Amino acid sequence: QVQLVQSGAEVKKPGASVKVSCKASGYTFTSYDINWVRQATGQGLEWMGWMNPNSGNTGYAQKFQGRVTMTRNTSISTAYMELSSLRSEDTAVYYCARGPSITTLDYWGQGTLVTVSS
Amino acid sequence: SSELTQDPAVSVALGQTVRITCQGDSLRSYYASWYQQKPGQAPVLVIYGKNNRPSGIPDRFSGSSSGNTASLTITGAQAEDEADYYCNSRDSSGNHGVFGGGTKLTVL
Repeated sequence: QVQLVQSGAEVKKPGASVKVSCKASGYTFTSYDINWVRQATGQGLEWMGWMNPNSGNTGYAQKFQGRVTMTRNTSISTAYMELSSLRSEDTAVYYCARGPSITTLDYWGQGTLVTVSS
Repeated sequence: SSELTQDPAVSVALGQTVRITCQGDSLRSYYASWYQQKPGQAPVLVIYGKNNRPSGIPDRFSGSSSGNTASLTITGAQAEDEADYYCNSRDSSGNHGVFGGGTKLTVL
């Protein structure tokens, strides 16, 4: 069965960077895009960007341009999302999601809580 | 601010029909998908494309679209349908995704 398993919770100081991993199993990793979506506590979903694991091509929401980097390691079927220059407003649960398209996210990871606090 | 607008909250009596709407200019060009999210859980895709349900999603969930408005209809709402619902589509550029602000559905 398709599974996306994310890395554990992180606590970071303002200005630092965080790198969240998303390990895929149960399907061919390079056949579907990986999208990243975040959700602050009590707030809605926010789309951050996508990555094609086959080509490495990416597309980022304008809000995160220059601060986010999405990469992958195809040998271990794992996608990564790195967010830099963290601020308190970046405190949120970060999800990876498999996407046949950016509007069809059919399988989601369990989420990774990133807390930014001094 | 989101390019897709949803009502913050909607309620429905048990067994009745409810429609949750999503408005945005990009919906004139692109379909919306819909996600259900229960507290403490990851979102679950319930409708995508013109009106497609992933395997395991009950057929009481359906989707439709007209002009700049996409709708999710639950016909015969059940207690377990109480959740937050989010629409998702492309932004006005067509190159990026965007979510609506979410609708909290209460089943009375």
